[in-house]
Amino acid sequence: QSVLTQPPSVSGAPGQRVTISCTGGSSNIGAAYDVHWYQQFPGTAPKLLIYVNNNRPSGVPDRFSGSKSGTSASLAISGLQAEDEADYYCQSYDNSLSGYVFGTGTKVTVL
Amino acid sequence: QVQLQESGPGVVKPSGTLSLTCGVSGGSISSSDTWWNWVRQAPGKGLEWIGEIDHTGRTNYNPSLRSRVTISVDESKNYFSLNLRSVTAADTAVYYCARWGGDTNWFDPWGQGTLVTVSS
Repeated sequence: QSVLTQPPSVSGAPGQRVTISCTGGSSNIGAAYDVHWYQQFPGTAPKLLIYVNNNRPSGVPDRFSGSKSGTSASLAISGLQAEDEADYYCQSYDNSLSGYVFGTGTKVTVL
Repeated sequence: QVQLQESGPGVVKPSGTLSLTCGVSGGSISSSDTWWNWVRQAPGKGLEWIGEIDHTGRTNYNPSLRSRVTISVDESKNYFSLNLRSVTAADTAVYYCARWGGDTNWFDPWGQGTLVTVSS
């Protein structure tokens, strides 16, 4: 079972802003480990979207942004577009498990 | 630019061993400070980290799978492998390989993934 909790789904109209939370604990996000976000379209491999909490790889639109505070992190998508419909996963390291952990995943739907 | 490609049988019998390889191209598996990972995703479910290996053979495994998993590396052929023993239907998943480290301390890139079904 995942140790990072995300809402199963979020939705918004085109142009709106949506946020996805990623709630962890004292052995992962709260222990100052970095949080990364991945975007996954159906039938394809996950792709890096945000690295080290709030950095965008080259080619990722600036409407995607990340933040981290305490034992949680968030991904925000502003100016939501139809092409943003996908699953999103947060990821960090957990020192009690001595391994990498993923969030439960969030499906973004554009209304 | 590093690229990863998984290969292996698409069907494994219950109680058998799942064996996959991940070929690395565009770069060396012997790169320092780089770890080579396996991640899986059961149908309709989330991502689960399986384990990792570096070029010297050091490994780290998910505690929930440690008793059944072995990851190995072949530097001469530039690939690494996954063996998962005593499989059940719960091990049916898409298996991905991914790189961690080098100049990027996150999972990037990923292979395209390969579906393994446990069925008699």
